[in-house]
Amino acid sequence: KAGVTQTPRYLIKTRGQQVTLSCSPISGHRSVSWYQQTPGQGLQFLFEYFSETQRNKGNFPGRFSGRQFSNSRSEMNVSTLELGDSALYLCASSSGDRANTGELFFGEGSRLTVL
Amino acid sequence: AQTVTQSQPEMSVQEAETVTLSCTYDTSESDYYLFWYKQPPSRQMILVIRQEAYKQQNATENRFSVNFQKAAKSFSLKISDSQLGDAAMYFCAYSRFREKLTFGTGTRLTIIP
Repeated sequence: KAGVTQTPRYLIKTRGQQVTLSCSPISGHRSVSWYQQTPGQGLQFLFEYFSETQRNKGNFPGRFSGRQFSNSRSEMNVSTLELGDSALYLCASSSGDRANTGELFFGEGSRLTVL
Repeated sequence: AQTVTQSQPEMSVQEAETVTLSCTYDTSESDYYLFWYKQPPSRQMILVIRQEAYKQQNATENRFSVNFQKAAKSFSLKISDSQLGDAAMYFCAYSRFREKLTFGTGTRLTIIP
């Protein structure tokens, strides 16, 4: 089985711009979660989508948004970028249903640098 | 709110020796999962070991084992016969069914040849 795929792997943006990150989960997984990883704040939960619906949401401003498509692929968008948005954005997938053991399968991440 | 604490920012161990990473957590729930994830320098996070809170028996995966003390809210990871490939950031994490993972701040493990 192919793992979780995130694109792009690296990107550089300037303040005020917006960015879209993409995540393809493991085949058959219907839940996709997004985490932000920074040296200062560690790993913080952004949101989770299950069957195209946002099921959980972290404490991030409205500039951070996401969506999930019918094929379970997910995108997250950050608008009006700030310097503090520089981070590694990790996507993780799971089955999300009763068979879920709680384990998440992570992608390699998208490294965003905001200048 | 649930919190996970890893009090050892860095640890080192000689190759082939044993090392224990500490983790404590705070929750008022009785049913939950605990995890140890490993993030090597290549950055992809992978699961090392998982423990369901209702199970009294400590989980074991080859050279990796945990000491789960539910009353003390402690969940330590023991790595036996340490190998160079074990060098990574190790994150302790907590979750409940269908809820987010709450991570600790991580422990950077260095293996000394």
